Amino acid sequence: GAVVSQHPSRVICKSGTSVKIECRSLDFQATTMFWYRQFPKKSLMLMATSNEGSKATYEQGVEKDKFLINHASLTLSTLTVTSAHPEDSSFYICSARVGAGESYEQYFGPGTRLTVT
Amino acid sequence: AQSVAQPEDQVNVAEGNPLTVKCTYSVSGNPYLFWYVQYPNRGLQFLLKYITGDNLVKGSYGFEAEFNKSQTSFHLKKPSALVSDSALYFCAVRFFLGGTYKYIFGTGTRLKVLA
Repeated sequence: GAVVSQHPSRVICKSGTSVKIECRSLDFQATTMFWYRQFPKKSLMLMATSNEGSKATYEQGVEKDKFLINHASLTLSTLTVTSAHPEDSSFYICSARVGAGESYEQYFGPGTRLTVT
Repeated sequence: AQSVAQPEDQVNVAEGNPLTVKCTYSVSGNPYLFWYVQYPNRGLQFLLKYITGDNLVKGSYGFEAEFNKSQTSFHLKKPSALVSDSALYFCAVRFFLGGTYKYIFGTGTRLKVLA
């Protein structure tokens, strides 16, 4: 089946620094990838939809200047948390879309635990 | 508003007993329904989905789910629980709105299978 990887799996950074998270589709090409944020004991919240070669579409309430998304190739999307603060600490999960129309499939990465100190 | 509800934060069941994790939804049209499982510090793993056809859907690891249109429910079931089934389970729906497909998740139910 389709495999999505994320790197790093865990990252600790200091407040005020930026951190980049990579999401890769390993054995397929994905024109569309999604970035989710999961708070402790909470559901997944869609942050943005990343489209290869174009600007990401952000959900309401998500700061696009803080969470920079780049989908530079058909197998790689990156999420950069800029000027991170402790409240940005969370579990970030990406997913990649396979197929088009109503029957598309969505495959999830293993997640990245971000801790901002 | 479109929504997915998982009314139980946690479900405890003894190993070998049947388990049910509940999910109800409020979505216009004919949604696709999904169940995912998440182990600690891991992403989501697909268990099963309902698109159309038989109301009883069979999925991975012996799980199944029953779609009930009149009750707008999609409960996850397994006839005999294993300790290794202990994890966080998410129900999700996909629907078409505003020219694009949307995916929303329930709040999750933690399943604890006791030996």
